[in-house]
Amino acid sequence: RKEVEQDPGPFNVPEGATVAFNCTYSNSASQSFFWYRQDCRKEPKLLMSVYSSGNEDGRFTAQLNRASQYISLLIRESKLSDSATYLCVGGGGSARQLTFGSGTQLTVLP
Amino acid sequence: DAGVTQSPTHLIKTRGQQVTLRCSPKSGHDTVSWYQQALGQGPQFIFQYYEEEERQRGNFPDRFSGHQFPNYSSELNVNALLLGDSALYLCASSLVQDAYGYTFGSGTRLTVV
Repeated sequence: RKEVEQDPGPFNVPEGATVAFNCTYSNSASQSFFWYRQDCRKEPKLLMSVYSSGNEDGRFTAQLNRASQYISLLIRESKLSDSATYLCVGGGGSARQLTFGSGTQLTVLP
Repeated sequence: DAGVTQSPTHLIKTRGQQVTLRCSPKSGHDTVSWYQQALGQGPQFIFQYYEEEERQRGNFPDRFSGHQFPNYSSELNVNALLLGDSALYLCASSLVQDAYGYTFGSGTRLTVV
């Protein structure tokens, strides 16, 4: 079983729609969690950190449930520019290394 | 302010050969981590270097080795290349006291034929 699992999609949604991504993790050594965004053939970039209290950054809302080992990302009013692969990531270990899920591909359609 | 620089951007090698990939960290960063990203997968942690020593290693065979230089730049070496080593190799730099403040380079795409 992978340490971080997420639905690979693809998710194809119309512009303006709300889309939710879910992720589960099994490695209790992961202490911190993040969502990264990766455009085609580009490097991953940090989208936002994820906290148990939930956090919001504009149209993006992330939530962590440690008891269920579950992480979510909600994108409201999706834009064409949101099209990318979204990676669920756990951080931990002595080197604070990142453990990535396989990614969920999102395409926002005009 | 230069970000993370990786070279080369693309590389084609034959099975059994050896390859060296290079990374210059973001200015001010002292730690370099390497990740392998196979097609359709998320990046996987290979190892991390700090103070010229391997600080932590992921689940990769000894064919994968690295080095960090006094100027914080780093190399990733892969010996006896296999077809399965074909992937995007990403370098991420950070500051040791900023645990998750990673900056990724744009990667080296290695194809083994």
